[in-house]
Amino acid sequence: EDQVTQSPEALRLQEGESSSLNCSYTVSGLRGLFWYRQDPGKGPEFLFTLYSAGEEKEKERLKATLTKKESFLHITAPKPEDSATYLCAVQTTSGTYKYIFGTGTRLKVLA
Amino acid sequence: NAGVTQTPKFQVLKTGQSMTLQCAQDMNHEYMSWYRQDPGMGLRLIHYSVGAGITDQGEVPNGYNVSRSTTEDFPLRLLSAAPSQTSVYFCASSPRIGSLGYEQYFGPGTRLTVT
Repeated sequence: EDQVTQSPEALRLQEGESSSLNCSYTVSGLRGLFWYRQDPGKGPEFLFTLYSAGEEKEKERLKATLTKKESFLHITAPKPEDSATYLCAVQTTSGTYKYIFGTGTRLKVLA
Repeated sequence: NAGVTQTPKFQVLKTGQSMTLQCAQDMNHEYMSWYRQDPGMGLRLIHYSVGAGITDQGEVPNGYNVSRSTTEDFPLRLLSAAPSQTSVYFCASSPRIGSLGYEQYFGPGTRLTVT
C-alpha cells in the first residue's frame, strides 16, 4: 500500500538553529514528491516538486532533497516567520492520479 | 488570476441537511480535487477529477457527491450531513496530468460544523 510518513510531528527551534524535516514514502512508482507550507487557517502553499533520486531544490532558507525512499526539507538559520506546518505529498504511478499526503510537521521557531 | 476560490468560508449545518461547497479556478487547470483536513489525520482525498465530465473517488468518498460540467468549477455536495463530516474542506487544482506529477494549488478552505 502506498504510504507517506512525516517526522517529527512537531519541532521547536531557536532562531538560527538549522534542522531537517523527514518525509518517508513507500510507493509502487513515483510521479512526483511535493512539499507544501501551511499557515494556521489557510490552505497549503506549494514549495517544491522533486522527481528523481538525487534531485535538490532550494528557495531562500529551505532546501528539499530526494532519495529513493525519503525526502528531507532542510531549514538553514530559520526565522520566526518560518513557523508553519510543512506537508509532504506524493503522486504515484499506480494508474490513478491521486495524491497521498503525510500528516505534516509543525515547526515553531522561537526568537 | 484569482487562483482557486471556495465558498462559503464557514458553514454550520444541522444533521440531515444537505449543501454544496463551491470551488472554482481560473487557471484552466485540468485536474481538480477535494480534501478534508482533520486534526492528526492530514489531508484526505474525497473525490478528484482529471477533466470536465470525469470524476473518481478518493480515500473517503462516502456521503459526498461531485460533478464537473466545466473546466472551471468542481462543486462538492453533502447529501445528508452528519457530525462526522465536521471538518475543514480544501479544494485544489493542478495544471495537467501526465507521466510526471504536477503541483497542486489550494483554495482557502471551508470550515464546516455539523451539529
